[in-house]
Amino acid sequence: GAVVSQHPSRVICKSGTSVKIECRSLDFQATTMFWYRQFPKKSLMLMATSNEGSKATYEQGVEKDKFLINHASLTLSTLTVTSAHPEDSSFYICSAGAANYGYTFGSGTRLTVV
Amino acid sequence: DAKTTQPPSMDCAEGRAANLPCNHSTISGNEYVYWYRQIHSQGPQYIIHGLKNNETNEMASLIITEDRKSSTLILPHATLRDTAVYYCIVRPPRGVRSTTGNQFYFGTGTSLTVIP
Repeated sequence: GAVVSQHPSRVICKSGTSVKIECRSLDFQATTMFWYRQFPKKSLMLMATSNEGSKATYEQGVEKDKFLINHASLTLSTLTVTSAHPEDSSFYICSAGAANYGYTFGSGTRLTVV
Repeated sequence: DAKTTQPPSMDCAEGRAANLPCNHSTISGNEYVYWYRQIHSQGPQYIIHGLKNNETNEMASLIITEDRKSSTLILPHATLRDTAVYYCIVRPPRGVRSTTGNQFYFGTGTSLTVIP
């Protein structure tokens, strides 16, 4: 079946540094990937739609300069949290679409900013 | 924005059927009903989806009312590993253009606890 790999699964970084999260579709090509964040005991909140070869579309209230998205190939999208602060600590999840499997989600990245 | 409403929590005895309802009264004609579940600290897992006919797979059954304004996900024999948050989502299928977008918007979901 369609597999989406997300890396790293956990990351701890210092305040003010940047963190890159990778989302790969392992056995299919994905022209569109979605990025979500999830706070404890809350639902997933869509941050942006990542389109291969073009600029990402951000949801209202999500800072595009804060959360940089690059979708340079049909199998890889990256989310970079720039100048991270403790309030950016969250669970980040990506999703990619495959023709016969609908949308598959990655296993998530737990970001802790200290 | 999420177009679905679900009860916040439910309990189910192990081995019994778990019936999870979802209201989607504003669903459009080309929108499917998708169900995903999320086990703690993991990414959501696809369960099933349907348009208007009832669907069944190895994981669950999906019952959609005739007016399509609500649906029920049925786990026929709940196990402890089915304890999770279940999300009902409506959206067009992949490849279908929509003026409202093809994104997956998650509502608050139903936290299902399977009790031994």
